[in-house]
Amino acid sequence: GAVVSQHPSWVICKSGTSVKIECRSLDFQATTMFWYRQFPKQSLMLMATSNEGSKATYEQGVEKDKFLINHASLTLSTLTVTSAHPEDSSFYICSAGGGRTRSYEQYFGPGTRLTVT
Amino acid sequence: KNQVEQSPQSLIILEGKNCTLQCNYTVSPFSNLRWYKQDTGRGPVSLTIMTFSENTKSNGRYTATLDADTKQSSLHITASQLSDSASYICVVSRYGNKLVFGAGTILRVKS
Repeated sequence: GAVVSQHPSWVICKSGTSVKIECRSLDFQATTMFWYRQFPKQSLMLMATSNEGSKATYEQGVEKDKFLINHASLTLSTLTVTSAHPEDSSFYICSAGGGRTRSYEQYFGPGTRLTVT
Repeated sequence: KNQVEQSPQSLIILEGKNCTLQCNYTVSPFSNLRWYKQDTGRGPVSLTIMTFSENTKSNGRYTATLDADTKQSSLHITASQLSDSASYICVVSRYGNKLVFGAGTILRVKS
């Protein structure tokens, strides 16, 4: 399968600060990237879908001004959690899909553990 | 409503034993069904993907089945190993690449 990386793998930040998480598809060009959030003992919840070069589509209940998503290239998408609060502490996972040969598949990154103190 | 339900919620088995995890779904329009393995603190890793016309698919000791008529799937793990301890997630894809996730079955294999 394809390789998707995330950076950082974990981050601790203070309440009120912003945190940027990167998601990279290392061996294919991902026309679509997805961002998920996962709370302990729960399944993944889709936050937003982003297509390269266009604005992200956010799921209902996800604040687009708080979770800024940029998908500027076919191999990189970033999620910025602005003015983070303790309730934003979670496991954030991206996935990459699309491209000529991987139109229906999604390859998941290893996740980023965010802790807001 | 598009839903994926998995059972059991959790399972403990002895190393070397077999087990079967269940998945029922009410997702439409159906594109494909996937099983993922997620280790604690890691992202999901794909085990199998099945389209409407596929009844069974194997990946090593993992065998998935799909009954599109009854909208049921199962994941059978043969000769379990300690490293199989993880959460197993059933995911159904709708057309347009929208994924509907099950809550997962937490499997613990003990020696």
